[in-house]
Amino acid sequence: DTAVSQTPKYLVTQMGNDKSIKCEQNLGHDTMYWYKQDSKKFLKIMFSYNNKELIINETVPNRFSPKSPDKAHLNLHINSLELGDSAVYFCASSQAAEGPNEKLFFGSGTQLSVL
Amino acid sequence: GDSVTQMEGPVTLSEEAFLTINCTYTATGYPSLFWYVQYPGEGLQLLLKATKADDKGSNKGFEATYRKETTSFHLEKGSVQVSDSAVYFCALIGANNLFFGTGTRLTVIP
Repeated sequence: DTAVSQTPKYLVTQMGNDKSIKCEQNLGHDTMYWYKQDSKKFLKIMFSYNNKELIINETVPNRFSPKSPDKAHLNLHINSLELGDSAVYFCASSQAAEGPNEKLFFGSGTQLSVL
Repeated sequence: GDSVTQMEGPVTLSEEAFLTINCTYTATGYPSLFWYVQYPGEGLQLLLKATKADDKGSNKGFEATYRKETTSFHLEKGSVQVSDSAVYFCALIGANNLFFGTGTRLTVIP
């Protein structure tokens, strides 16, 4: 059973489109995250949700909107895609009451290519 | 603020060579330190960790020692294998977040 699963694995789309990436965890964790990995392999946190509430929202364009329908899901919706959005996006989860502990479980990533 | 700096790659080694990937950190207090590994086509996996000064984390032949005096957590392996080819990330936990280094790509050639 996959602990953290995100779909799709690959997403190729044109500039200006709106797309979503889905993430689900079956670990019963309270906290979920979205990270962006750019072409230089730098990982940067975008959002963090704890029990469906936003607790970290780094400087990310308003075009990016996370949605957490329940604590097992954290989807990432992106409006008006731009070339610079091309990257690998990782979902992660952890069992943490306040902030992350070291046991972060990552999804396998979604490679987004904006043409 | 908290941050992690690791040596830039890529690093290319022959099989059985000695590996060192440098990592230094800046943090208030005493953060926990980690090395994560990303194999081709996969997500990140925790490789090893150390939670206090002088702790040594080890796994799969890799080691890293938490050095408070030099604020470092260098990753080492005595004899690398082709299967160790991956991207390695140094990280720390501080201020409600996990901070990653930029990643170092290691390629091991037979």
